[in-house]
This record gives sequence, C-alpha cells and structure tokens, in this order.
Amino acid sequence: EPEVTQTPSHQVTQMGQEVILRCVPISNHLYFYWYRQILGQKVEFLVSFYNNEISEKSEIFDDQFSVERPDGSNFTLKIRSTKLEDSAMYFCASSGGGGRNNEQFFGPGTRLTVL
Amino acid sequence: KNQVEQSPQSLIILEGKNCTLQCNYTVSPFSNLRWYKQDTGRGPVSLTIMTFSENTKSNGRYTATLDADTKQSSLHITASQLSDSASYICVVPNGGATNKLIFGTGTLLAVQP
Repeated sequence: EPEVTQTPSHQVTQMGQEVILRCVPISNHLYFYWYRQILGQKVEFLVSFYNNEISEKSEIFDDQFSVERPDGSNFTLKIRSTKLEDSAMYFCASSGGGGRNNEQFFGPGTRLTVL
Repeated sequence: KNQVEQSPQSLIILEGKNCTLQCNYTVSPFSNLRWYKQDTGRGPVSLTIMTFSENTKSNGRYTATLDADTKQSSLHITASQLSDSASYICVVPNGGATNKLIFGTGTLLAVQP
C-alpha cells in the first residue's frame, strides 16, 4: 500500500542552524501539507501546497519557514534559523484532491530537537 | 473560533472491555469529521471520515457516530485489544474552501491486560 515517507526520523540541531525536513508524498497525490506537534500538544497546521505554490499557511509559518517541491517526488520544509521553540514532531501529509472531503495521508514524522 | 474538543483526556481500560470517546466541535461550515489513531511517536492514521449526512460508520471494532445538530461525535471501541493503546484524535476540516485540518487534543487510551 502506498505511503508517505519522511526523512530523517530524528534531527538534532543547534539553535540558529538551518534544517531541511524531507517528505516523499504518495506518488499520484497533488496536494501536500506540513503539520507540527509540540510535545504534549495538539497537531497544528503549518502550510498547504499545490501546483508549486503555497495554498494556505498558518500564523506559525513565518518568514523562517519555506517549502519546496524540488523535483517530482520530494516535498521539503526548510527552517532557516531554528529556535528552541521549533522543537516538535513535523508531519508531512498528502491527498489526491484538495476538497474538504479528501483524505490526507500522514507520514511517520520527523522529530526535530533544537538545542 | 473553529475548535475541536475531546474528552476524556486519558482513559485506562482492561483488555476486552469497550469504551467510548467523545468529541465536540465548533467548526462552521461543517463538511466532515474524522477520527485518527496515533501511536506514540508516529503519524496519525485515519479510522473513519463521516460527512454531515452520516450518523454512524463502522470500521471493524471501531464505530463512530455523528450528530451534526449538536456538533458532537463519539468513537466506540469494542472488545479492546492491547494494540488499541494509542491517542485517538478527532479532526475537522476548517470551514470554507480550505482543506486545512483542525485537530482535537486527543484521548490517550491505555489498554491493560
């Protein structure tokens, strides 16, 4: 069964460093998302992406964040200058359609630890 | 503000017993409600998606109900197994044209032998 994959599973970085989290969505999906979950808190929407541009972003997704689909398979989230409060699980998701009834399939997540 | 609230926060039951988890939402306009299972350190996995016209939907030992009038949903787990130990999250797409998902805080279920 096709699934969303994410690498790395765990990333440790120093405050102020740049990190790139990678995702491979399900191959025929066209809509891509990033969510994050701070330890002990609910999952929060960060950004949605379609047709090589951002469809929607939350207030969390400020100028230090960017997303890119550099090739036909990968979808990346870059955090330019990490802060301690960026420590969280980051989940990538993809869906075949962009409507509200379309199911989003989640990857296993990348645990980001900022020291 | 669009919100999803769940209760209880956590629940401990014995293997083989049944349990019911609750969800209340204040999302408008409403399109559908989803229940996800999230194992510790893993991504959420969809259990059910219910549109406003569906009252009950089953997926194996999981049965979800929806009351769109009172904006409440429940997830009933029958004959629990140790592998059911996880967080169960109620999720509703944000109102409007977006597919942005609003997550509840989840109910942490522990099934004990």
